[in-house]
Amino acid sequence: DSGVTQTPKHLITATGQRVTLRCSPRSGDLSVYWYQQSLDQGLQFLIQYYNGEERAKGNILERFSAQQFPDLHSELNLSSLELGDSALYFCASSPPVSGNQDEQFFGPGTRLTVL
Amino acid sequence: AQKVTQAQTEISVVEKEDVTLDCVYETRDTTYYLFWYKQPPSGELVFLIRRNSFDEQNEISGRYSWNFQKSTSSFNFTITASQVVDSAVYFCALRRTSGTYKYIFGTGTRLKVLA
Repeated sequence: DSGVTQTPKHLITATGQRVTLRCSPRSGDLSVYWYQQSLDQGLQFLIQYYNGEERAKGNILERFSAQQFPDLHSELNLSSLELGDSALYFCASSPPVSGNQDEQFFGPGTRLTVL
Repeated sequence: AQKVTQAQTEISVVEKEDVTLDCVYETRDTTYYLFWYKQPPSGELVFLIRRNSFDEQNEISGRYSWNFQKSTSSFNFTITASQVVDSAVYFCALRRTSGTYKYIFGTGTRLKVLA
């Protein structure tokens, strides 16, 4: 158990809908990362937050948005869902002092199925 | 543009054999980070290592070792005396060290270790 929690574990919804994925980082970690893993696109980095502020942005679609709250949990909002958004969404967190490791701890993922 | 290539889609070895997973990257940045991640059949992602581009020393952690060669833009991963538990998909990734950045992932190498 990495200490990173993600809810829900599974989500089934229809095209055009909006969903929110939630991530709680490990205690003390300030950074939260979001990744998408699909058969078509492989593993893709979406976005990173550090202590509430956006730190890095990857291949995140405009239909997607994220934020990190004062209690450091993060939410990834996916709207106007398309079939191609079906994927496994991972959240990861890392400690505030990375040293030489920059180690990320991953949650179990949320499997999103868009029908 | 940045790119990570893992040419080996799938490798099968017999337990106790040594195996090397290749990773070749492209970047115009002078400094960057390289990463390896493991995704076992259970699906969770596990961070293995981060290497800074200015540190070309090889790294060894137990049965795992990493060979970073800037001259050939490669960051290869070797598992010595492989075990069945090493069976997983392994991803190599690259990102800048500063400024705006995103993680660029390879397509992964599926390693099967047979008993």
